[in-house]
Amino acid sequence: LAKTTQPISMDSYEGQEVNITCSHNNIATNDYITWYQQFPSQGPRFIIQGYKTKVTNEVASLFIPADRKSSTLSLPRVSLSDTAVYYCLVGENNQGGKLIFGQGTELSVKP
Amino acid sequence: GAVVSQHPSWVICKSGTSVKIECRSLDFQATTMFWYRQFPKQSLMLMATSNEGSKATYEQGVEKDKFLINHASLTLSTLTVTSAHPEDSSFYICSARQPSGESSPLHFGNGTRLTVT
Repeated sequence: LAKTTQPISMDSYEGQEVNITCSHNNIATNDYITWYQQFPSQGPRFIIQGYKTKVTNEVASLFIPADRKSSTLSLPRVSLSDTAVYYCLVGENNQGGKLIFGQGTELSVKP
Repeated sequence: GAVVSQHPSWVICKSGTSVKIECRSLDFQATTMFWYRQFPKQSLMLMATSNEGSKATYEQGVEKDKFLINHASLTLSTLTVTSAHPEDSSFYICSARQPSGESSPLHFGNGTRLTVT
């Protein structure tokens, strides 16, 4: 299973764009890249998922370079409520595909 | 809306007793579910893979006799912490995928806070 590396923490201010980069040098051909958000005492919440290039949904964008050895989660115009831990995971997407969590990035958004 | 439901959301038990946590997939069948444990200020740690109709697969270092997993139906997996001790106090989280095409992300329940006194 691919190991991921993220910054331990990041600080931002309300209204700014936040980019969190994740390294996954050993990503396998069948692996997808998925990002989750976790608030204290809650289960992780799915944010976005991609395989290659760029993916965008209503809350975030995910940029994946051609070699897929890294990915960047982009959160546009963050608010205080975006303060959370963000996890980048790589793994297969079939029902039996388990995901191993890395340390995550603790994002703090300040007013 | 939520696709994976956990119950209870929190439980307090006395040392030496057993506690059962339920994980249900809502509106879909999950042949596989995953159980994680999370200690304060730490990341989630995968404990085991729950397989419907067969034995669970435990990660290295997780005691299968301590953490009993039963996946008796396609929508329900249970984790029983047997003879609980204070060091078992933790946040337990289950997850499952909806079966659909290629890119079906893993969805997580809201977790169960276990406190052993």
